[in-house]
Amino acid sequence: DAGVIQSPRHEVTEMGQEVTLRCKPISGHNSLFWYRQTMMRGLELLIYFNNNVPIDDSGMPEDRFSAKMPNASFSTLKIQPSEPRDSAVYFCASSYRSLGSYGYTFGSGTRLTVV
Amino acid sequence: EDKVVQSPLSLVVHEGDTVTLNCSYEVTNFRSLLWYKQEKKAPTFLFMLTSSGIEKKSGRLSSILDKKELFSILNITATQTGDSAIYLCAVGSSNTGKLIFGQGTTLQVKP
Repeated sequence: DAGVIQSPRHEVTEMGQEVTLRCKPISGHNSLFWYRQTMMRGLELLIYFNNNVPIDDSGMPEDRFSAKMPNASFSTLKIQPSEPRDSAVYFCASSYRSLGSYGYTFGSGTRLTVV
Repeated sequence: EDKVVQSPLSLVVHEGDTVTLNCSYEVTNFRSLLWYKQEKKAPTFLFMLTSSGIEKKSGRLSSILDKKELFSILNITATQTGDSAIYLCAVGSSNTGKLIFGQGTTLQVKP
């Protein structure tokens, strides 16, 4: 099992550019979560999907952020336009059940730096 | 609003010491509490607790949940430098289906 796969591992971009982060969940998992981690705010849930359908996007900071899950094996998180305050580590996690009883498996994260 | 609070936020100890990390929560329709260890990369799963008073143990690490007082502790005995990490507590709600994380406790174990 390759685990949750995220790409790229590192991304450095200029302010105003579009950034796309990618995630491949573990096969068979039906829930997918996008988190953002900063020193100031810790791990924040941005959005999660259950069976490819967005369930709760209340954590998405603003309209510049969007996420899609076109099928069970792929999800993207897009930031357009990017700003320096978006700099953080973005984690994708997947689980078999979305009801909180089962632990997540996290990907290795994408470290985003916006200059 | 659901929230998870960890204490202390940071801790420095010497090898061989025993440490206790705390996690308190206020979550609607509590389902489970999980502990994670985060070193340089992604958080890795340690324990999941759903019932009060039942200790979970793995080597030098152990954890217990008190659903009446709404808290959990994570104990690490005979600490080693490899235990240096951020320890995250997260609570799952059956209402929302998501995990809410605390700020984490940064543990540094000195030789």
